[in-house]
Amino acid sequence: IRMTQSPSSLSASIGDRVTITCRASERIYTHLAWYQQKPGKAPTVLISEIYILQSGVPSRFSGGGAGPDFTLTISGLRSEDVATYYCQQYHGYPLTFGGGTKVEVE
Amino acid sequence: EVQLLDSGGGLIQPGGSLRLSCSASGFTFSVSAMSWVRQAPGRGLEWVATFGGDGWSTYYADSVKGRFTISRDNSEETLYLQMNSLRVEDTAVYYCSRGGAEYRAFDGWGLGTLVTVSS
Repeated sequence: IRMTQSPSSLSASIGDRVTITCRASERIYTHLAWYQQKPGKAPTVLISEIYILQSGVPSRFSGGGAGPDFTLTISGLRSEDVATYYCQQYHGYPLTFGGGTKVEVE
Repeated sequence: EVQLLDSGGGLIQPGGSLRLSCSASGFTFSVSAMSWVRQAPGRGLEWVATFGGDGWSTYYADSVKGRFTISRDNSEETLYLQMNSLRVEDTAVYYCSRGGAEYRAFDGWGLGTLVTVSS
């Protein structure tokens, strides 16, 4: 299952609303997660099952969509959100990730 | 709290072997699916292998099938990745993670261990 993520990078201002899109090449039902990876660090899960926010994740992060297109939205970008974001499907093997979206602050 | 400590990386020549380890704590390891995910320098995330929480199911990426073996010791709460016939393109940071089977996302990650395959 191919996961096509866009854009590959973006630059936005503090306080902006940022949306990242991920398209699945096959039906993946609700088995979609989003990860954040800060430079030099391991990834952490933000959202699973399309929209379920993981414990401790700020509420400015939200997930949506119903297949084949899914979204990750940051409502009110903060400096600590500078990172690369990945979508991932866990519906079938091989498990696959999107190519990543690098988010920077202007 | 899920805690994973991966280790065993290093510099190895092409064709060589290496075994990675991941020590787990903070959750019931024996019933948890566990996986390895890697990231080549400057590249994205790539799933490598998963060992199911059922205690016997294993799954591999085509790029490592037949060369890598994932295993676990539930009594030691440790996950392993035996890597044989290593290639230059296997160079990456390898992360141990919880999840990857039974429709579970990767909800815990180790810090990663760097494997460099070079002559």
